[in-house]
Amino acid sequence: GQNIDQPTEMTATEGAIVQINCTYQTSGFNGLFWYQQHAGEAPTFLSYNVLDGLEEKGRFSSFLSRSKGYSYLLLKELQMKDSASYLCAVRPEDSNYQLIWGAGTKLIIKP
Amino acid sequence: DTEVTQTPKHLVMGMTNKKSLKCEQHMGHRAMYWYKQKAKKPPELMFVYSYEKLSINESVPSRFSPECPNSSLLNLHLHALQPEDSALYLCASSGTRNTIYFGEGSWLTVV
Repeated sequence: GQNIDQPTEMTATEGAIVQINCTYQTSGFNGLFWYQQHAGEAPTFLSYNVLDGLEEKGRFSSFLSRSKGYSYLLLKELQMKDSASYLCAVRPEDSNYQLIWGAGTKLIIKP
Repeated sequence: DTEVTQTPKHLVMGMTNKKSLKCEQHMGHRAMYWYKQKAKKPPELMFVYSYEKLSINESVPSRFSPECPNSSLLNLHLHALQPEDSALYLCASSGTRNTIYFGEGSWLTVV
């Protein structure tokens, strides 16, 4: 079967660093995506990894290890506005359009 | 700001009504999507149009009817919906990198 696991909820402190993990077991692999979704809003695209390694984009970085079926999203210098759900999604090898979604990680930032 | 625009933002309809959700993208993308999202769940794919042709229908009930008038526009016609169809309906598009970009969504309530 196809499965993506990520923690249900995490709490972190403003100004700190947090790492949100995602592990996947899918029928092939054609890219991994991270999305941010604030309560009551639509998901917004954060990052895309298809090769192993780290992709950095400002305060956010995403890492991929295809051999381990593992990714993480690293958020630095946390701000209150980073309180949101973070969704990990994998594109299977046989599709250009479909994504297998994790259930999302709700990140709570405390002052 | 998203370049995928959806109207209306909010819609309340009775079970005997006919209504439509509209979506427009200005990124020159050739694939457009309808997703449905319930509270605390990831987005659920409904339909994909590729080059204005229906490419994927995820066994969606016929009371949902998609239409793609041209490469920039996507509609979702709604008829005889049930209260359990109340959800956030997300339009999205993707280009050559196949990254999916979402619109702000249409909140649908069926009464």
